[in-house]
Amino acid sequence: QVHLVQSGAEVKKPGSSVKVSCKPSGGAFNNYAMNWVRQAPGQGLEWMGGINPMFNTSTYARTFQGRVTITADESTSTAYMELSSLGSEDTAVYYCASPAPGHYYYMDLWGKGTTVTVSS
Amino acid sequence: EIVMTQSPATLSVSPGERATLSCRASQSLSSNLAWYQQKPGQAPRLLIYGASTRATDIPARFSGTGSGTEFTLTISSLQSEDFAVYYCQQYSSWPKYTFGQGTKLEFK
Repeated sequence: QVHLVQSGAEVKKPGSSVKVSCKPSGGAFNNYAMNWVRQAPGQGLEWMGGINPMFNTSTYARTFQGRVTITADESTSTAYMELSSLGSEDTAVYYCASPAPGHYYYMDLWGKGTTVTVSS
Repeated sequence: EIVMTQSPATLSVSPGERATLSCRASQSLSSNLAWYQQKPGQAPRLLIYGASTRATDIPARFSGTGSGTEFTLTISSLQSEDFAVYYCQQYSSWPKYTFGQGTKLEFK
């Protein structure tokens, strides 16, 4: 069974950047169109953007455009989400999520989440 | 951008009763809608896709209906493990997605 394995918790200063990674535990990496979803404390789910590793194309939510960069490294089979100009409002759990191989749109697979805390 | 609106924000139901959750889209999605369940401290779990198809290992008490702009998730007989937050998500505008704000299903 495939799992999405995310990097560990981060504590960042305001104004800095954070880079979170996500790696499928099995299967061909380019089968996974990786999305990133954010959840602030006590709040709902917010789609940030995604990447299709097969075509190396990224799409971003308007809210995060210009501040988020989603990339994929095929050599290490790892997807990354980098968020810059961090503020306290970016304190949240960040999930990677993907359709399972053979699926295309809905998110069957989820990582366990990476907690990012922004604090001075 | 497609806006998703869920109602109610909180639903209080007793175990064994039926729960009906609603999701409305600002424009037609056809059947490009998914439902997710999230329990405290856990990642979301896919329940329904294509508006009405249960995902793998999802019990038959969960059902989804609707198309266009109006969708419903019904849990026919609530079990204790069903108390959670439920989100709808549109993928009609793939590769862009939108989630609803969630409905919290709580014990009455």
